[in-house]
Amino acid sequence: EIVLTQSPGTLSLSPGERATLSCRASQTVSSDYLAWYQQKPGQAPSLVFSGASGRATGIPDRFSGSGSGTDFTLTISRLEPEDSAMYYCQVYSTSRWTFGQGTKVEIK
Amino acid sequence: EVQLVESGGGLVKPGGSLRLSCAASGFTFNSYSMHWVRQAPGKGLEWVSFISSSSNYIYYADSVKGRFTVSRDKVKKSLYLQMNSLKAEDTAVYYCSRGYSRSHFDYWGQGTLVTVSS
Repeated sequence: EIVLTQSPGTLSLSPGERATLSCRASQTVSSDYLAWYQQKPGQAPSLVFSGASGRATGIPDRFSGSGSGTDFTLTISRLEPEDSAMYYCQVYSTSRWTFGQGTKVEIK
Repeated sequence: EVQLVESGGGLVKPGGSLRLSCAASGFTFNSYSMHWVRQAPGKGLEWVSFISSSSNYIYYADSVKGRFTVSRDKVKKSLYLQMNSLKAEDTAVYYCSRGYSRSHFDYWGQGTLVTVSS
């Protein structure tokens, strides 16, 4: 079973700064099977970016995903106050879907 | 607009049963695979179950295998999760989500809370 490790646990940045969220897999995965979700307090998760289909509908272009092999990154180029949330990476492999433990993005 | 609306959550005693439902609208339900994903209070996301568009393929997380059963009704455009032999560690918000290929979850419902406690 693939294990996803996200870092850092918490990212505290100011509006306009660049946020770099890391997701490391315990074994090589296809980028087509890697996705990122945003979850705000009291809300359901929502898709932000996937290797298979790019940025999700309605997601601003300041969000981008990259990576290959075992190392993947979600970048928020210029943080806005509404980007404050928990972010999870997720991978599919062999009839299993696995999430990372999440990175909390705080806006100062 | 894609909409997924879960129902059926509530308080149940350990060892009890509960059936969750998810009503789908705004897309061709029969063409998409569906998932259940849960989130324990204050914790991260955990995938629970997958059912293919035709119900030919069904998968479960090890933590629920043998106790939970997923199904779907094409006429009612609904997804179900029958949960038996419930344990305290099954306490969570349960989300219904639409599958994108085999890859990820592109739409999510708002969730229904299941609390297993005596």
